Amino acid sequence: AQSVTQLGSHVSVSEGALVLLRCNYSSSVPPYLFWYVQYPNQGLQLLLKYTSAATLVKGINGFEAEFKKSETSFHLTKPSAHMSDAAEYFCAVKGSNYKLTFGKGTLLTVNP
Amino acid sequence: NAGVTQTPKFQVLKTGQSMTLQCAQDMNHNSMYWYRQDPGMGLRLIYYSASEGTTDKGEVPNGYNVSRLNKREFSLRLESAAPSQTSVYFCASSFRTSGGGYNEQFFGPGTRLTVL
Repeated sequence: AQSVTQLGSHVSVSEGALVLLRCNYSSSVPPYLFWYVQYPNQGLQLLLKYTSAATLVKGINGFEAEFKKSETSFHLTKPSAHMSDAAEYFCAVKGSNYKLTFGKGTLLTVNP
Repeated sequence: NAGVTQTPKFQVLKTGQSMTLQCAQDMNHNSMYWYRQDPGMGLRLIYYSASEGTTDKGEVPNGYNVSRLNKREFSLRLESAAPSQTSVYFCASSFRTSGGGYNEQFFGPGTRLTVL
């Protein structure tokens, strides 16, 4: 069965600093991986997805993620944090029968 | 396009009351999903409908029923609400392809339900 582990339920960075949100997955088949963002009191919005093409995936708002099969990781990064990046971020992996399995989420705080 | 819409946005129920959460999508997607979100738990799948006319249980189906009314609409019913069902409920949809690919899910804005 597929599973996702997000390391760190809360990450705090300063404005302008590097953002690194960690995601490790478990999958018995080549995975489809996703990062979603949730702003306060809103639904989830897709940031980026990996579907077995390029291992470095670029998403919206300057975010990118690198698929590393040897490490079973799909960490999300952004070179310079902005106040508007404050949100909760979810990593997800495609499971059986087209379902998604989500991690528990990482809350990103950006300090001025 | 409105995408995925959900009604109501907020609801307060008393224990034992029933209600139906409505979801509709206008993207011609064939698959639809209901999740609940609780603090520190991420999103957990309640039920899903891979295509019109089919529904299946997800991770946490107890206390819920669903109806795939047509291709656009997928409702979630609580027959006898319990305080443990206090949560934020999200509906999502996606386009399921037959060629082995996978497309992302699109989410609605959520329904915040409190059961007293």
